[in-house]
Amino acid sequence: DIQMTQSPSSLSASVGDRVTITCRASQSIGTYLNWYQQKPGEAPKLLIFAASTLYAGVPSRFSGSGSVTDFTLTISSLQPEDFATYYCQKSYSNLFTFGQGTKVE
Amino acid sequence: QVTLKESGPVLVKPTETLTLTCTVSGFSLSNPRLGVSWIRLPPGKPLEWLGHIFSNDEELYTTSLKNRLTISKDTSKSQVVLTMTNMDPVDTATYYCARATVTTWGSWFDYWGQGTLVTVSS
Repeated sequence: DIQMTQSPSSLSASVGDRVTITCRASQSIGTYLNWYQQKPGEAPKLLIFAASTLYAGVPSRFSGSGSVTDFTLTISSLQPEDFATYYCQKSYSNLFTFGQGTKVE
Repeated sequence: QVTLKESGPVLVKPTETLTLTCTVSGFSLSNPRLGVSWIRLPPGKPLEWLGHIFSNDEELYTTSLKNRLTISKDTSKSQVVLTMTNMDPVDTATYYCARATVTTWGSWFDYWGQGTLVTVSS
């Protein structure tokens, strides 16, 4: 099975900071990569699909890039509501595996 | 308006079988561009995708749990059912159902239920 590895597992940042989260696949997955945000007590929310497409209603400070095995989620200027856990998720090869998450605090 | 809602027991005993129902509205389970997955969040652990059902009833399961999982659907009732056998305390988690949009560029979960906490304890 293809494994998804996120880094870092947690990071400390301040409002206004540029934040970058990395997700690496153990094998090529093309651009079959999505990003989600989850806050405590809430369901996850879709941010980015197909590696770089911003989902409707998601602020433009969020962006995604990458392909093959290496992917990045960037928050250009961290806002108070962005403190949360972020997950990558692949949709390649019929297994929709999530990464282990990155907590932004 | 698309909604999904999970229902089922909040407490199950070890070795018992868990049955959860996801009732959807605002879309059809027969739409070939859509499917429904079950995903869980154990306390202090990351999200874990469990399995998926497509409009044509094709099922997918995570490798580590495939022997314990069954996902089925009743399109007329707009319901997707997850069955997990031989429950263990490590299966304690919030269980979510989520709608997947299925395209040639991949699949993504665009709508989620609120989740239901299931505790496994004697």
